Amino acid sequence: GNSVTQMEGPVTLSEEAFLTINCTYTATGYPSLFWYVQYPGEGLQLLLKATKADDKGSNKGFEATYRKETTSFHLEKGSVQVSDSAVYFCALSDRLSGGYNKLIFGAGTRLAVHP
Amino acid sequence: EADIYQTPRYLVIGTGKKITLECSQTMGHDKMYWYQQDPGMELHLIHYSYGVNSTEKGDLSSESTVSRIRTEHFPLTLESARPSHTSQYLCASSESEKLFFGSGTQLSVL
Repeated sequence: GNSVTQMEGPVTLSEEAFLTINCTYTATGYPSLFWYVQYPGEGLQLLLKATKADDKGSNKGFEATYRKETTSFHLEKGSVQVSDSAVYFCALSDRLSGGYNKLIFGAGTRLAVHP
Repeated sequence: EADIYQTPRYLVIGTGKKITLECSQTMGHDKMYWYQQDPGMELHLIHYSYGVNSTEKGDLSSESTVSRIRTEHFPLTLESARPSHTSQYLCASSESEKLFFGSGTQLSVL
């Protein structure tokens, strides 16, 4: 079945460092891909998405490119801030019966940014 | 932005008690979901609904049950709570592929 694999955390960085969180997927067809973020004590929020190959999703300085050839959707940010400390989830949209979709999530990667 | 609410935020309860976790959304979304998040952070879909009177079991087997009598309301019930049910429960709704999540209920069963 479809699945998502993320790099294990925690990832610990100093402020203004470059961030990469790796995500690869296994899927039949061409699902939409997502990054969600979960700040401490909160639910998940959509960070960015890409719906087809070579699409680049971007938001709040984060970006990720849908790479069909490497089945990857790595998250990057050029300069992280302390406020970026959170858990990041990669996800893909999978088909349910009746034409509906569900999200399959990776295991999550915890990011800690220190001043 | 997102108008999806979960109550209670935290719940500590003894073994054998019946509990209901509430989830409501005001966006008029047909699709709603319950995810269980384990301490290692991984999310597992346990129930979903396409609309009123529609409920389906998700990928992870769960002893909980759900109901969908109204579009905006998707409560989850455990008839007899056990320590193995201790977890974070996240409710979500969607209209398209984008999911909106509530803040979750942290359940601890002693």
